[in-house]
Amino acid sequence: GDSVTQMEGPVTLSEEAFLTINCTYTATGYPSLFWYVQYPGEGLQLLLKATKADDKGSNKGFEATYRKETTSFHLEKGSVQVSDSAVYFCALSAPRRGSYIPTFGRGTSLIVHP
Amino acid sequence: DAGVIQSPRHEVTEMGQEVTLRCKPISGHNSLFWYRQTMMRGLELLIYFNNNVPIDDSGMPEDRFSAKMPNASFSTLKIQPSEPRDSAVYFCASSLSAGTATEAFFGQGTRLTVV
Repeated sequence: GDSVTQMEGPVTLSEEAFLTINCTYTATGYPSLFWYVQYPGEGLQLLLKATKADDKGSNKGFEATYRKETTSFHLEKGSVQVSDSAVYFCALSAPRRGSYIPTFGRGTSLIVHP
Repeated sequence: DAGVIQSPRHEVTEMGQEVTLRCKPISGHNSLFWYRQTMMRGLELLIYFNNNVPIDDSGMPEDRFSAKMPNASFSTLKIQPSEPRDSAVYFCASSLSAGTATEAFFGQGTRLTVV
């Protein structure tokens, strides 16, 4: 079945450091790919998405490129802030029995120190 | 739109009691998902509905768990009887499946503690 693997956390960085969170996926067909973010005590919310190969999703300084040849969708940010501290989930969405079903990775906790 | 609304936000119950979690999806969305989040297992898909019809409940852990969606604006997840290992955060999410993948919108979750 479909699956998403992302790097284990926590990732601990100083403010203004460069961030990479690795994500790879396994799926039949051509899924859409997403990054969600979860702040403490809240549900997941969409950070960015890409729907086809070589698409780049971007939002709030975060970027990720859909790489079909390496089945990857790594999240990057050039300069993190304390407010970026949260849990980040990589996800794919593929059709299954009439619906598009999101499948999530385990999540990666990011801690940014001042 | 107010987003996906879940109630209650927190629930503490004794082992053996019945627990009912509630969800109101975003109006116009045709897919609804129930997830369970724990430190050990991460985010697990329990069941999903398409146009109010349960499509796949293979993620429901045991017969003690059941879910219904009587109409497009309401769904429940029931645990009877509850056990301490059911303690987790339960999320409801909805999306519009219309020929292309769109994002899932999550509620704020119900934190369930079974003592």
